[in-house]
Amino acid sequence: GQNIDQPTEMTATEGAIVQINCTYQTSGFNGLFWYQQHAGEAPTFLSYNVLDGLEEKGRFSSFLSRSKGYSYLLLKELQMKDSASYLCAVGDSNYQLIWGAGTKLIIKP
Amino acid sequence: IAGITQAPTSQILAAGRRMTLRCTQDMRHNAMYWYRQDLGLGLRLIHYSNTAGTTGKGEVPDGYSVSRANTDDFPLTLASAVPSQTSVYFCASSDGGADYNEQFFGPGTRLTVL
Repeated sequence: GQNIDQPTEMTATEGAIVQINCTYQTSGFNGLFWYQQHAGEAPTFLSYNVLDGLEEKGRFSSFLSRSKGYSYLLLKELQMKDSASYLCAVGDSNYQLIWGAGTKLIIKP
Repeated sequence: IAGITQAPTSQILAAGRRMTLRCTQDMRHNAMYWYRQDLGLGLRLIHYSNTAGTTGKGEVPDGYSVSRANTDDFPLTLASAVPSQTSVYFCASSDGGADYNEQFFGPGTRLTVL
C-alpha cells in the first residue's frame, strides 16, 4: 500500500530551528512536495524535491533521500507566523499526489 | 478571478439532500482535483480530471460525482448527502505535467450534513 508518515504535532520556540520529517512508501516516485496550511485556509506550496539533496529557499530548506524514502523540511529563524500545519505529499506512479496527515507546528514565544 | 474559486464557502445540509460544490479556475490548467480533508487524516482524493472531457475516481469516490465539460469548471455533486460527508472540501488544479505536479488550491468549502 501507499503510506506517508509524519509527526502529528511539534512545538518550537520563536527564533529557533525545527526539522519536520516525512517518510514514504509509494507505488512509484514522481517528486516530493511540502505544503503549508494555516488553520482554516487552503494548503500553499513550499517546496519540491525530485533529486536527492537539499533545496534551500530563504528560511525554508527541504531534503530528500529517495533510497531511504525520507524527506525533511527545515525551518530556520522561526517566526510566530510559521505556526501552521506542514503537509508532505509524494507524486506516485500515476502522477497523483499522496498526502500525509500533516504536522501541526506550534511556535512559542 | 485570480486562481481558483469555490462556492459556497460553507453550507449546512440536511441528510438526503442533493448538493453541488462549484469550482472554477482561470489558470488554464489541464488537471483538476477534488479532495476532502478531515481532522487527523491527510487530504483524500475524491475525483480528478486530467483534461476537459475526462474524469477519474480517486481514493474515496463513493457518494460523489463530477463532470468536466470545459477547462475552467469542475463541479462536485453529492447525490444524497450523508453525515459522514461532513468535511472540508478543497478543489485544486495543476498543469498536469508528467514530471512536476504542483497543485494550486481553492479556499475550500466547509460542509456540514445533519
